[in-house]
Amino acid sequence: GQQLNQSPQSMFIQEGEDVSMNCTSSSIFNTWLWYKQDPGEGPVLLIALYKAGELTSNGRLTAQFGITRKDSFLNISASIPSDVGIYFCAGQGSGGSNYKLTFGKGTLLTVNP
Amino acid sequence: DADVTQTPRNRITKTGKRIMLECSQTKGHDRMYWYRQDPGLGLQLIYYSFDVKDINKGEISDGYSVSRQAQAKFSLSLESAIPNQTALYFCATSQVGQETQYFGPGTRLLVL
Repeated sequence: GQQLNQSPQSMFIQEGEDVSMNCTSSSIFNTWLWYKQDPGEGPVLLIALYKAGELTSNGRLTAQFGITRKDSFLNISASIPSDVGIYFCAGQGSGGSNYKLTFGKGTLLTVNP
Repeated sequence: DADVTQTPRNRITKTGKRIMLECSQTKGHDRMYWYRQDPGLGLQLIYYSFDVKDINKGEISDGYSVSRQAQAKFSLSLESAIPNQTALYFCATSQVGQETQYFGPGTRLLVL
């Protein structure tokens, strides 16, 4: 089946620093989604990307849908303590299984005040 | 009020017991999903349902069963719980034609 490689697995940064994480796949995806999971909660959608090359921002967050349709990245600028959590990428592939999201294993972000 | 709710939020049970986790949604979505989350493994799909009469196995359905009682309700059962089913369980919903899935707050299950 389709697999996503998400990196890095974890990051420890100082407040105010910028953060970058990415996901790559051997398969083409039609949609890329980025979720954040706070401790003890379910994942919440941050950004959705629908077109190759698309660059979308949501406040301090920016995400891009790779031109090859096999990768995506998420940047967080000027990190703050509440950015702490696990960030997941998810891709929806082409073909008959258009319902299915494939999730990366997550990036655990720790922000030191 | 939360759009996707899960009960219970936490559960401790013993090996061999049957338990049910419940999910309700007020989003009016047709599609519902159950995922399992283990540390470092991301989210794995257990079962999904496109409507009340449609149930499908996901990646890791062995040892689990589901019931779609209504459009708004989707329950997950462990017929005979075992310790390696200790995990976080999430319910999610989506609308037909839209990729975005909306997650509940999760149920933390411990099987002793």
